[in-house]
Amino acid sequence: GQQLNQSPQSMFIQEGEDVSMNCTSSSIFNTWLWYKQDPGEGPVLLIALYKAGELTSNGRLTAQFGITRKDSFLNISASIPSDVGIYFCAGRLYGQNFVFGPGTRLSVLP
Amino acid sequence: NAGVTQTPKFQVLKTGQSMTLQCAQDMNHEYMSWYRQDPGMGLRLIHYSVGAGITDQGEVPNGYNVSRSTTEDFPLRLLSAAPSQTSVYFCASSYSSRDREHFGDGTRLSIL
Repeated sequence: GQQLNQSPQSMFIQEGEDVSMNCTSSSIFNTWLWYKQDPGEGPVLLIALYKAGELTSNGRLTAQFGITRKDSFLNISASIPSDVGIYFCAGRLYGQNFVFGPGTRLSVLP
Repeated sequence: NAGVTQTPKFQVLKTGQSMTLQCAQDMNHEYMSWYRQDPGMGLRLIHYSVGAGITDQGEVPNGYNVSRSTTEDFPLRLLSAAPSQTSVYFCASSYSSRDREHFGDGTRLSIL
């Protein structure tokens, strides 16, 4: 089945640093979603993107819908310990189901 | 607010046993789905439903059955458990297939 690629697979950063991660697909999408999953819990939606080029923020998080419609980016500014978790992207073309990436595992060092 | 509720949270089965994973939502969502999450593979869609009485297969449906007799409930049945079905299972719901999904906290299933 179709899958997305997420980069990096994991990252260790110092508290206060900015974080960048991305998600790429071989197919174009009409919708991109970014989720965060804490240990032992289900994914929680962070940001939804519906238009190529769209840039949307949610607090310290900013996500962008790539111009090519084959990628999306998530940035976290001034990381804090509670940012620890796995970040998933998901993409969808109209009429099809969402496809999820394998996730980026973020660790924040004090 | 309950949202999406999954039971049980943990389960250990022997190969060949059957069981049903329960999922209920109280948001009057039409669309419900089941995913499995395996290390390094993200979430993969097992089955989904666009409304009561309507179900369809996702990416990895083999070995699983679903039914949707009510809007609120969407149980997932393992007919004859196999070790390859050891995974974390998530149920999700949304107003429609075009909307973002709300996830439950998952069921951790181990097949011995």
